[in-house]
Amino acid sequence: NAGVTQTPKFRILKIGQSMTLQCTQDMNHNYMYWYRQDPGMGLKLIYYSVGAGITDKGEVPNGYNVSRSTTEDFPLRLELAAPSQTSVYFCASGPSGNTIYFGEGSWLTVV
Amino acid sequence: GEDVEQSLFLSVREGDSSVINCTYTDSSSTYLYWYKQEPGAGLQLLTYIFSNMDMKQDQRLTVLLNKKDKHLSLRIADTQTGDSAIYFCAEIPPGGYSTLTFGKGTMLLVSP
Repeated sequence: NAGVTQTPKFRILKIGQSMTLQCTQDMNHNYMYWYRQDPGMGLKLIYYSVGAGITDKGEVPNGYNVSRSTTEDFPLRLELAAPSQTSVYFCASGPSGNTIYFGEGSWLTVV
Repeated sequence: GEDVEQSLFLSVREGDSSVINCTYTDSSSTYLYWYKQEPGAGLQLLTYIFSNMDMKQDQRLTVLLNKKDKHLSLRIADTQTGDSAIYFCAEIPPGGYSTLTFGKGTMLLVSP
């Protein structure tokens, strides 16, 4: 069972570069999420989606964009990377409500 | 905004019980969760409890919920060194699309 798969696992970006973090799930979940985790902090919600074609901002959306063209995929786009976006990014999915499953994380450093 | 609060650190000896505490923000939250994160890894869902329950037991894990005080606890019986990790409490407040609000995590260190 693949579950929630994120790529890449590690990436170093230069300031001003752009990149896309990929996330795919094979559980046919409607709900998908992107969180970021900064050292010593809990997770903060960046964006979420309740189904294909629907996305919404979370707590910390600035500097990011998402799309949800299919149920399976929920890529996170970073435009004009900044050092403040150095973080660990987690994608998650759930059928709705009570159980939310996380990917293994993507470590991003912006230098 | 309001935060989910957890103590930052807990140290126990192998074989003892561990109790990790959490205070959440919204008494109307429907589900409350405990996640485990090992170093360099993602978050593993340990257990969750629905808000109409007071207690849930799953093998070595016991979750206690006090809705009046908005207090959630996770008890790990017979703690092992493999239980060393960061434990996150999280809630789904009402009205959100199952978006989790996390505490900052409690680092549990189990010594032999």
